[in-house]
Amino acid sequence: AQSVAQPEDQVNVAEGNPLTVKCTYSVSGNPYLFWYVQYPNRGLQFLLKYITGDNLVKGSYGFEAEFNKSQTSFHLKKPSALVSDSALYFCAVSQSAGGNNRKLIWGLGTSLAVNP
Amino acid sequence: KAGVTQTPRYLIKTRGQQVTLSCSPISGHRSVSWYQQTPGQGLQFLFEYFSETQRNKGNFPGRFSGRQFSNSRSEMNVSTLELGDSALYLCASSSTSGRTDTQYFGPGTRLTVL
Repeated sequence: AQSVAQPEDQVNVAEGNPLTVKCTYSVSGNPYLFWYVQYPNRGLQFLLKYITGDNLVKGSYGFEAEFNKSQTSFHLKKPSALVSDSALYFCAVSQSAGGNNRKLIWGLGTSLAVNP
Repeated sequence: KAGVTQTPRYLIKTRGQQVTLSCSPISGHRSVSWYQQTPGQGLQFLFEYFSETQRNKGNFPGRFSGRQFSNSRSEMNVSTLELGDSALYLCASSSTSGRTDTQYFGPGTRLTVL
């Protein structure tokens, strides 16, 4: 079955420390992977995506993610966390719903808390 | 460019009523998707419209319906509201409905059913 897992409901990190938010996936065919962030009472904001090519993808606000095909993972990282990074993070994978039409499968989200 | 807009931002209804939510996509975007977000279930896909045609549909009852107009604006309707329909309803737009295309989300409509 196609799925996305975010194994940690919550991640706590001190400001200035590196952060990692984990995502693993199971999908047939080539995976197209996305990370979004949601601040309280807001919609989701796009951070980055992996389509093909370089396994390290750089995105908005200093975030990056590493695609690892053998481990079927797409972990989100940032070298130095900010208090303002505290939010809910979602990983999603796009599978084919017929032809080239997408069907996005979403993880349940990881709440990131950055402590001052 | 203006982002995705959703109206209204907040709604309070009672059981049995019906509700219509509206979404205006980013200019030039032809695909609009709708999601229901709840704390327990996360993001659940409702349906996607592209050029006024429903392309994909999630596993929701027939009480949930939608449509898209020629200007790409979309509406979602929920009839015979139930308490469990209380959620944040998110709309997302993209240029196409292709697998690699990025979806851009609106701020959502918070629906409370009493």
